[in-house]
Amino acid sequence: DTAVSQTPKYLVTQMGNDKSIKCEQNLGHDTMYWYKQDSKKFLKIMFSYNNKELIINETVPNRFSPKSPDKAHLNLHINSLELGDSAVYFCASSQTIYGYTFGSGTRLTVV
Amino acid sequence: DAKTTQPTSMDCAEGRAANLPCNHSTISGNEYVYWYRQIHSQGPQYIIHGLKNNETNEMASLIITEDRKSSTLILPHATLRDTAVYYCIVRGIHGSSNTGKLIFGQGTTLQVKP
Repeated sequence: DTAVSQTPKYLVTQMGNDKSIKCEQNLGHDTMYWYKQDSKKFLKIMFSYNNKELIINETVPNRFSPKSPDKAHLNLHINSLELGDSAVYFCASSQTIYGYTFGSGTRLTVV
Repeated sequence: DAKTTQPTSMDCAEGRAANLPCNHSTISGNEYVYWYRQIHSQGPQYIIHGLKNNETNEMASLIITEDRKSSTLILPHATLRDTAVYYCIVRGIHGSSNTGKLIFGQGTTLQVKP
């Protein structure tokens, strides 16, 4: 009964490849997010969707493309992966003023 | 969203109360104070939030000063499993929709020692 689940948990891939990370929440929340945590451990928001509509798009390379087929899912597709994309990516969801619920993260390593 | 200032690290003895301070002197009237923590290699975990009144739940207590310029998260009986990075975040709520984003700072690394 995981609230926010991400797959895969680990992803190792070569530079130049295209990969996707999937996220699903079963909390009935309207808003979902993608965060990136780099090697220095800073958590930075990348995208936010509210009811399938993009509402936050931080300064992220356009190689990153989020897709929300429905409000329970927010996937992240990354084209032409670079070494600097190596990080832990967290999906999260929230509803109104209440706290976010985060997934357990996807550790992406680009070699 | 207002910025917050937290000490980089703190130690606490197991079984004692851990008091984690946070300054948010530029907080505005519609901004809430949120606390999250991140245990090593896990996703951040919501702890508590408040607007101006003190709050308590099963995890912690949140004390907000009357002028709302600072707050303290209290873990009443710290255990080794409370060792984590604790983030204090202020966040506005934009109308009825949830568009307020969480901006994480560096947080406070709390080390609970036996």
